[in-house]
Amino acid sequence: QKEVEQDPGPLSVPEGAIVSLNCTYSNSAFQYFMWYRQYSRKGPELLMYTYSSGNKEDGRFTAQVDKSSKYISLFIRDSQPSDSATYLCAMSGGAGTALIFGKGTTLSVSS
Amino acid sequence: DARVTQTPRHKVTEMGQEVTMRCQPILGHNTVFWYRQTMMQGLELLAYFRNRAPLDDSGMPKDRFSAEMPDATLATLKIQPSEPRDSAVYFCASGPGQGYQPQHFGDGTRLSIL
Repeated sequence: QKEVEQDPGPLSVPEGAIVSLNCTYSNSAFQYFMWYRQYSRKGPELLMYTYSSGNKEDGRFTAQVDKSSKYISLFIRDSQPSDSATYLCAMSGGAGTALIFGKGTTLSVSS
Repeated sequence: DARVTQTPRHKVTEMGQEVTMRCQPILGHNTVFWYRQTMMQGLELLAYFRNRAPLDDSGMPKDRFSAEMPDATLATLKIQPSEPRDSAVYFCASGPGQGYQPQHFGDGTRLSIL
């Protein structure tokens, strides 16, 4: 079992839909949780990051962490075609340490 | 907008050749990471440095891979000799290493070993 599990999709939704992306993990030492977006032939771009449990909102994006269930989510409201990309969850146990990534979920938003 | 810069962006070479990939971290960031991305394994850590000292290189095949930071503005990853199974996208990321601020990635070196 990998430390971080993420459904690879693909996930296809119409423009304006609410998208839910999820990861589960097994290492209870993880404290820092991130979501990265990756466009084709580009590097991962940081979207959201949170420490420990709770919610964080930034525009159309909301990140949730439930440490008791070892489950993190990213919600995208009013999805746009420009949101079409691969979304990677990542986490680490300490500040400034290496990240453990999920394998990514490919999202396609059609207009 | 500060960015991590990686060169070359693409590299095609034959098996057995030496490959050198370079990374310029964001100015002021003292922690540098090398990751490799493949379809099968996803993104995996190869090695990382803080203040130019190696902290973890457990993800690297030691017999053929080496990573160094000759100075604070340059990190290198070398493969010698290269093998077809090394074909992947290699990413460098940097972070400030103080408090908690996440890592920022370059656009990678796409490596093909024939």
